[in-house]
Amino acid sequence: ILNVEQSPQSLHVQEGDSTNFTCSFPSSNFYALHWYRWETAKSPEALFVMTLNGDEKKKGRISATLNTKEGYSYLYIKGSQPEDSATYLCACNRGGANNLFFGTGTRLTVIP
Amino acid sequence: SQTIHQWPATLVQPVGSPLSLECTVEGTSNPNLYWYRQAAGRGLQLLFYSVGIGQISSEVPQNLSASRPQDRQFILSSKKLLLSDSGFYLCAWSVLAGGRREQFFGPGTRLTVL
Repeated sequence: ILNVEQSPQSLHVQEGDSTNFTCSFPSSNFYALHWYRWETAKSPEALFVMTLNGDEKKKGRISATLNTKEGYSYLYIKGSQPEDSATYLCACNRGGANNLFFGTGTRLTVIP
Repeated sequence: SQTIHQWPATLVQPVGSPLSLECTVEGTSNPNLYWYRQAAGRGLQLLFYSVGIGQISSEVPQNLSASRPQDRQFILSSKKLLLSDSGFYLCAWSVLAGGRREQFFGPGTRLTVL
C-alpha cells in the first residue's frame, strides 16, 4: 500500500483567483502520478498522468508539476471559475503494479 | 470509443441482505478491471482488481467478493451486507497504451445500508 496525501482537504476561493494544492507520495520505486477531477454525481475525469521528474503538464487553465525525488506534485488552477468546483484526486502507482493508490482529495469550491 | 456502465446508480439495502453490483465495459478488449469504494469522509480505496476472466485480486479483507465471468463484465457481491459497507462504489478499467496504464471510471453506485 502506498501512502498518498493531499492538502488542503478543502479550499474556498473567489472567482478569478488562482490556486494550487499538493499531493505527496513515497518517492521510492515511483512509476506514475495521476490527477483526476471529480465532480459530484459524475465519474472521476482523468486530467494528467506524469512519470518523469520535472514533468509539467497543462490543460487550459489547469497545470501540474512533478518532483519524483522529493515525492510531491502540485496542481495549479489559474483564474478559477465556478465550474472548476470539484474534488481533485491524485493517485500513484509503483513500477510493475496495476493498482492506483489515491489520496483523500482536495475539495475546491469557487465562489462566484 | 470506450464506455463503462454501472448499475444501479443508487441502492438502499437492509443490513444482512445480499448485494450484486454490475459493471460492463464496451469498446475495448482484455482490460484490467477495478472496484473502488469511497466511504464517508475517506479517500478512494481499491477493493478488487482483475487482469482477466476468472482472475481476481483482493486488496483488503472484507465482507465483499468480486467475480469476472466475461472479459468485459465485473461483478461486486456480498452475501450479507454490513452497515460499514455503505459508500460510493466505482468501477474502473484500464489498458496499457504507450507504456502507460491510465484508469477510466464508471458513473458509480451509491449504496446505503440501513
